[in-house]
Amino acid sequence: DAGITQSPRHKVTETGTPVTLRCHQTENHRYMYWYRQDPGHGLRLIHYSYGVKDTDKGEVSDGYSVSRSKTEDFLLTLESATSSQTSVYFCAISEDTSAKNIQYFGAGTRLSVL
Amino acid sequence: GDSVTQMEGPVTLSEEACLTINCTYTATGYPSLFWYVQYPGEGLQLLLKATKADDKGSNKGFEATYRKETTSFHLEKGSVQVSDSAVYFCALSDAYNQGGKLIFGQGTELSVKP
Repeated sequence: DAGITQSPRHKVTETGTPVTLRCHQTENHRYMYWYRQDPGHGLRLIHYSYGVKDTDKGEVSDGYSVSRSKTEDFLLTLESATSSQTSVYFCAISEDTSAKNIQYFGAGTRLSVL
Repeated sequence: GDSVTQMEGPVTLSEEACLTINCTYTATGYPSLFWYVQYPGEGLQLLLKATKADDKGSNKGFEATYRKETTSFHLEKGSVQVSDSAVYFCALSDAYNQGGKLIFGQGTELSVKP
C-alpha cells in the first residue's frame, strides 16, 4: 500500500471555526491532491500541488486553501467551516501526470460541520 | 469540459452472477481511463486501467475495454463474489488538464448476496 496518512480520520466541528486536515506521504511523490466525496457526485478535486509551495485550484476550491511546505505534507484548510463542507475528504498522490498516471489514495477524513 | 457518467446503483446480485457496470465519458483530448474500487470504510484503490483505445484492463477477474468509438469503458466480471461488494468508480485522467486530475463518475454501489 502507498504510504499515505490522513489526519484526523474523523472530525466534528462547528460552523465558523477553522479546520485543517493533514495529508502525509512517505513515497516522495511530486503531485498531491485533495478531493471531496459527496453522494451523487463521486469525487471532485479541491486543490492540487505539483511541488513544494506550488499549488493550484481544482473545480470546487471556494472556501478552501492549501499549503505544501515540505514534499511529504499537504495541508487543507477550511478558513471558516460551513455545513456545505460536511463531506469525506481524500488525499491522493501521484508520481507524475503522464497518460499512465496512477493516483494512490489515503483512507479519508470524515468531516461533519454542525 | 470532460465528464464521466456511470450507471446508477445500487446494484444487487447473487453470488456467481455476471456483472456489468456501464461507464461512458466525454473528453476533448486522449484520456486514460480507470476503474477504482472503494470497500466500506476505506479509501479508493485502483482496480484496472487502460491508456489508449482498444486497450483492455484486467485485474481480479474484472475487465474493461477502452472503446473510443462508443466513448465507453464498461466494467465486467463473469462471476461475482460476496467480497466484491463495494462502490466502483469510473474515472478519466487527462495529462494536460489540471495536473492530471482524475474526473470521476458518481460511483455505483454493488451488493453481492450469498
